[in-house]
Order: sequence, then C-alpha cells, then structure tokens
Amino acid sequence: DAGVIQSPRHEVTEMGQEVTLRCKPISGHNSLFWYRQTMMRGLELLIYFNNNVPIDDSGMPEDRFSAKMPNASFSTLKIQPSEPRDSAVYFCASTWDSQNIQYFGAGTRLSVL
Amino acid sequence: SQKIEQNSEALNIQEGKTATLTCNYTNYSPAYLQWYRQDPGRGPVFLLLIRENEKEKRKERLKVTFDTTLKQSLFHITASQPADSATYLCALEDRSGYALNFGKGTSLLVTP
Repeated sequence: DAGVIQSPRHEVTEMGQEVTLRCKPISGHNSLFWYRQTMMRGLELLIYFNNNVPIDDSGMPEDRFSAKMPNASFSTLKIQPSEPRDSAVYFCASTWDSQNIQYFGAGTRLSVL
Repeated sequence: SQKIEQNSEALNIQEGKTATLTCNYTNYSPAYLQWYRQDPGRGPVFLLLIRENEKEKRKERLKVTFDTTLKQSLFHITASQPADSATYLCALEDRSGYALNFGKGTSLLVTP
C-alpha cells in the first residue's frame, strides 16, 4: 500500500491567494483527519471525517478554512484567502481502526508570504 | 479540555542507555493512550498503544507504562541507538472517541 498521499509537498504563496491541499487516504480506511503542526502549538486537529461525513470541525481556525471529502479516496483542505499566520505543516491522516491508530501522510509545508 | 504535557526540552543520552520520556495529562483518563515517532520532514508514525486497564506494554526495545492514578505515561527505549533519535509524541483518545489529542512531543538525541 502506498500509504496516505498528500500533495503538494511544499506550497509557497502570497497573502490573499487561495490554497488547496489534497489528501488520498489509505484504501479501506473510513476516517480521515486534517492536522496543522507548528512549533508553538504542536499538532492541532482541524477537522475529521467519518465515512466521508464531517464529524467535528471545531478545530478549524476560522471561516477562511474549509474541507471537503467528496468520496472515500479524496479530501481537500482549502484556505481562502491565505494569511502569513497560516504558514505551517499540514498533515492528513486516516484510520479504519476502532482504537484510532492513525496513519499520516508526509505533510504539506505551506509558506504564505 | 485535556491538557497534555511532554518535556519540551530535548533529551540527550548516550548510545546504549535507556531513554525515558514522560507524558502527563490533566483531565479525564482516556480509554487508551498512544505513542508516535516523528522524524524531521515526515509525518508521525504509530509505535504503541496501551489501554487504561493495562499497566505496561512492550514491543522489542520499547516499553510503555500507563498510570491512571498519576495521569501519566512513561515511554522507555532500552539499549538506545543513534537511529532512535527523533521526536516522540503521546496521543490520548478524546472524549468523543473519534479523535486524538497530541502532546507537543519530546525530542530525543542519542549520541554514539
């Protein structure tokens, strides 16, 4: 299995631009999670889906952030408009396990100038 | 909300020694606790899970303990090797049972 696949690996954009991060979970997994990691705040949960349905988006920082999961094999996290404080590494993870053992992608390093 | 504390200072030890990392939490005791390893530029990788009714779990050179009275988990790496150098994160099940809350991690450096 290829594992969780995220794209792009690196994204550099200017303030105000729209950014779309992509994630392909492991086939057969039914839960998907988006995280943001910074030195200051560590790994923060933004939103998670179960069977393609958003369960909890209380971690999404503000309305500029949105996430979708149109099918079991694809999810996007969109930031519009982006701001410099959004600069971080964004991870996607998936699981099928009732004990919630999560499998992470390699992350997208976002820099907003 | 659950507050998870891991040593923010890096832990430096000599090869062959036992590394011990601490994870403390402040609120409810979760049904299980997990440990992950993260290397620079990569996503976290699952290592071990321990349930609330288990006091100790082992996997090769790794050992995890879980004390719900102290609200603490200890993560041990015996006979440490330079290849064990990484950041180690503890994660607790949240109240919903769907998600995990992660600590900020402790950086471990094993020197030859």
